[in-house]
Amino acid sequence: EPEVTQTPSHQVTQMGQEVILRCVPISNHLYFYWYRQILGQKVEFLVSFYNNEISEKSEIFDDQFSVERPDGSNFTLKIRSTKLEDSAMYFCASSEGGQGNEFFGPGTRLTVL
Amino acid sequence: AQSVTQLDSQVPVFEEAPVELRCNYSSSVSVYLFWYVQYPNQGLQLLLKYLSGSTLVKGINGFEAEFNKSQTSFHLRKPSVHISDTAEYFCAVSIIQGAQKLVFGQGTRLTINP
Repeated sequence: EPEVTQTPSHQVTQMGQEVILRCVPISNHLYFYWYRQILGQKVEFLVSFYNNEISEKSEIFDDQFSVERPDGSNFTLKIRSTKLEDSAMYFCASSEGGQGNEFFGPGTRLTVL
Repeated sequence: AQSVTQLDSQVPVFEEAPVELRCNYSSSVSVYLFWYVQYPNQGLQLLLKYLSGSTLVKGINGFEAEFNKSQTSFHLRKPSVHISDTAEYFCAVSIIQGAQKLVFGQGTRLTINP
């Protein structure tokens, strides 16, 4: 069964460093998403991406964040200068089209020290 | 804006007992409704969804949920739980027209005791 994969599973970084979280969506999907879940809190939408551009982003997704689809298979989330409060589980998701068909990856746990 | 409230943060249940996990939502526009499950150290897996039609929807692993528009609720039920149902359960909504994003509730941790 096709699945969304994410690497690494756990990333530890120092405050102020740049991190890139990687995702490989399901191959025929057209819509891509990043969500995050701070420990003990709800899963929050960060950004959606379609047709090589951001279709929507939340207030959390400020100038420190960027997304890219550098090739036909990867979808990345970059945090330019990490803060302590960026520590969270980051989930990538993809869908073929339309609501209700998002498939989620297993997540990357980001720890900022 | 939409919001989702899961009234119970933790629900302990004995094996083979029935369970109901409660979810209420708030939205000024029509929404789609979802339940996701997260097993330990895994990603989110779709349990079931309501898009239209019958208000009673059946999902995987014997779960079902009923959409109640007047009460703005979408409670999840299972008549007899198993140890393997121990997980975190998330209710979510997305608006029917517009941005394709999910708004999640806080989650309910379901613990099944033998």
